Amino acid sequence: GQNIDQPTEMTATEGAIVQINCTYQTSGFNGLFWYQQHAGEAPTFLSYNVLDGLEEKGRFSSFLSRSKGYSYLLLKELQMKDSASYLCAVSDRGSTLGRLYFGRGTQLTVWP
Amino acid sequence: EAQVTQNPRYLITVTGKKLTVTCSQNMNHEYMSWYRQDPGLGLRQIYYSMNVEVTDKGDVPEGYKVSRKEKRNFPLILESPSPNQTSLYFCASSDGPAKGEAFFGQGTRLTVV
Repeated sequence: GQNIDQPTEMTATEGAIVQINCTYQTSGFNGLFWYQQHAGEAPTFLSYNVLDGLEEKGRFSSFLSRSKGYSYLLLKELQMKDSASYLCAVSDRGSTLGRLYFGRGTQLTVWP
Repeated sequence: EAQVTQNPRYLITVTGKKLTVTCSQNMNHEYMSWYRQDPGLGLRQIYYSMNVEVTDKGDVPEGYKVSRKEKRNFPLILESPSPNQTSLYFCASSDGPAKGEAFFGQGTRLTVV
C-alpha cells in the first residue's frame, strides 16, 4: 500500500482558519483528493489536485506539492458544521487498474 | 439524482451465515470499490473493479468476494462471515481512481456475532 500521513486530531474555534496537512509516498502519483466525513455518514468530495499549486473553492482550499509529496487543506471562517473527519486520498497508477488510497483521517473539532 | 445505493443499511448476522451487500450506481461509472472503515484505521479498500468482469483485490480482500456482471451493480459477498468482519462498509463509484470525485453509498453497518 501507500504511506499517507495526516494528523489524527485537530481543534479550532469558530471563525478561525485551520490547515490540515497530508504527506504521502507513492510510486505512481496520479492525483490527490480531500473528502469530508461527518460521523456515521458517507465521505463527500471536497477537492482534487493533480498539478502543483492551490485550488480554491469557497471557504476551502487545497494545495499540492508533488516534489515534496505534500498537500494541505485550508478551511477558512470555520463554522460548527465543519466539525468532521477530513480524509486525504491519493490516486496511484502503479497497479494495473490504478487505485485510490485513503489516509486515516483528521478529526477536526470546531469550538464555539 | 446521481446516487450510489447500498443495502442493507444495518445488518446483524451470525458467524458462518452467507450474506450479500448490494451496491448500485446510476451514473454509468466504470470504477467501483468496496471499503471497510474501522476506528483508527480509516478507509481500507477491499476490492475494486474497473469495468464489467474486471476486478482486483484491494488491501484487505480476505473473506470477501465480489462480482461485476453489470456495470451498475457491484455486490460484496461474505461467504462465511466472522466477528472480525464487523465493520462499517462503503461502496463507491467514479469514472476512475483519478478521473474525478468518488460517490459513496450511505454505508452498511455490519455486526457478526
